[in-house]
Amino acid sequence: DSGVTQTPKHLITATGQRVTLRCSPRSGDLSVYWYQQSLDQGLQFLIQYYNGEERAKGNILERFSAQQFPDLHSELNLSSLELGDSALYFCASSVGLGYRSSTDTQYFGPGTRLTVL
Amino acid sequence: AQKVTQAQTEISVVEKEDVTLDCVYETRDTTYYLFWYKQPPSGELVFLIRRNSFDEQNEISGRYSWNFQKSTSSFNFTITASQVVDSAVYFCALSEVLLNTGTASKLTFGTGTRLQVTL
Repeated sequence: DSGVTQTPKHLITATGQRVTLRCSPRSGDLSVYWYQQSLDQGLQFLIQYYNGEERAKGNILERFSAQQFPDLHSELNLSSLELGDSALYFCASSVGLGYRSSTDTQYFGPGTRLTVL
Repeated sequence: AQKVTQAQTEISVVEKEDVTLDCVYETRDTTYYLFWYKQPPSGELVFLIRRNSFDEQNEISGRYSWNFQKSTSSFNFTITASQVVDSAVYFCALSEVLLNTGTASKLTFGTGTRLQVTL
């Protein structure tokens, strides 16, 4: 158990719908990362937040948005869902205090499997 | 841009055999991290090891060992005396370090190597 929690574990929805994935980082971790794992794209970085602020952005679609709240949990919102958005979505967290520090290791949650029908 | 190549898509071995998983990376950064993660059939991503770009010492942890060579941009992973429980997909990943904060950021993953260990 990494200490990172994600809910829900599974989500089945229809095209055009909107869903919210939730992530609680490990206690003490300030950075939260979101990744998407699909068969055709592999594991892709979406976005990173550090202590409530966006720190880095990957190939995240405009239909997707995220935020990190004052209690450091994070939500990933996916809207106007398409069949191709079906994937395993991972959240990871790290303390993120600096290079050469063991605090920069990302620990992953169990993932949310999204199925768009 | 950063890139990680895991040329071995799938490897099958018989229990107790040694197996090496290859990882080659590309980056223009002088400071970076390298990682190995394990994804068992249950789906979670399990952290195995992190290596800093300035530290080329090889590491051994039980049956696992890692060989980091900057000269060849490789970070290979060896499992000695493999066991059925080692069956999983193994990912090599590279992390950039943000210049403005000095902290690690996104992971760039390879495509993974599926290891099947049979009796």
